Amino acid sequence: QVQLVQSGAEVKSPGSSVKVSCKTSGGSFSGYAIIWVRQAPGQGGLEWMGGIIPTLRKTNYAQKFQGRITISTDESTSTAYMELSSLQSADTAVYYCARDRIYGLGKYSYGMDVWGQGTKVTVSS
Amino acid sequence: DIQLTQSPSSLSASVGDRVTFTCQASQEIANYLNWYQQKPGKAPKLLIHGASNLQTGVPSRFSGSGSGISFTLTVNSLQPDDFATYYCQHYDNLDVTFGQGTRLEIK
Repeated sequence: QVQLVQSGAEVKSPGSSVKVSCKTSGGSFSGYAIIWVRQAPGQGGLEWMGGIIPTLRKTNYAQKFQGRITISTDESTSTAYMELSSLQSADTAVYYCARDRIYGLGKYSYGMDVWGQGTKVTVSS
Repeated sequence: DIQLTQSPSSLSASVGDRVTFTCQASQEIANYLNWYQQKPGKAPKLLIHGASNLQTGVPSRFSGSGSGISFTLTVNSLQPDDFATYYCQHYDNLDVTFGQGTRLEIK
């Protein structure tokens, strides 16, 4: 059974950076994209941040985060990373990674069928 | 960029009811539309992919339909476990869009 295991909760100061990890256990990145989604506290919906297709060396980021987000992978450890810089209080959220089975050279997908447990990031002075 | 608009934003229903959620895309997306269920404090769960394909392990009371710009998720005979928030989602070439969600509450 494939699982995505994320790193633990973080408390960060405004202006700092956070790097969240997402380790795949029981599987590999082959045939999948790793997508990062966040959810603000309370009634917040799901917000797409970006994704990576490791086997194609391809990344894409939501315009909102361009310039302060980096998504990467370490295939030797089957771990994906999402780093977000210049943190503000509005970045306080739960951050999720998810596995998306892709096809058509990454143009299409079958949906995000495995999710990490979420990482709570709190930005506070 | 494609926008997904879900309606209603919230819905009250009773156990045993049949409910329908709607998701409208801002442009034609064929059948590239997925549905998720999320409960408080939990990660989303994939229910339907490709507009109408039931994900393995999801109860058959869930069904999806639609293509082009208009899509629906139907839940027949609501169970207590079904009260949650539902999201539609589109993927295109590593570009992802979510609808704003529909919250299903117990009447």
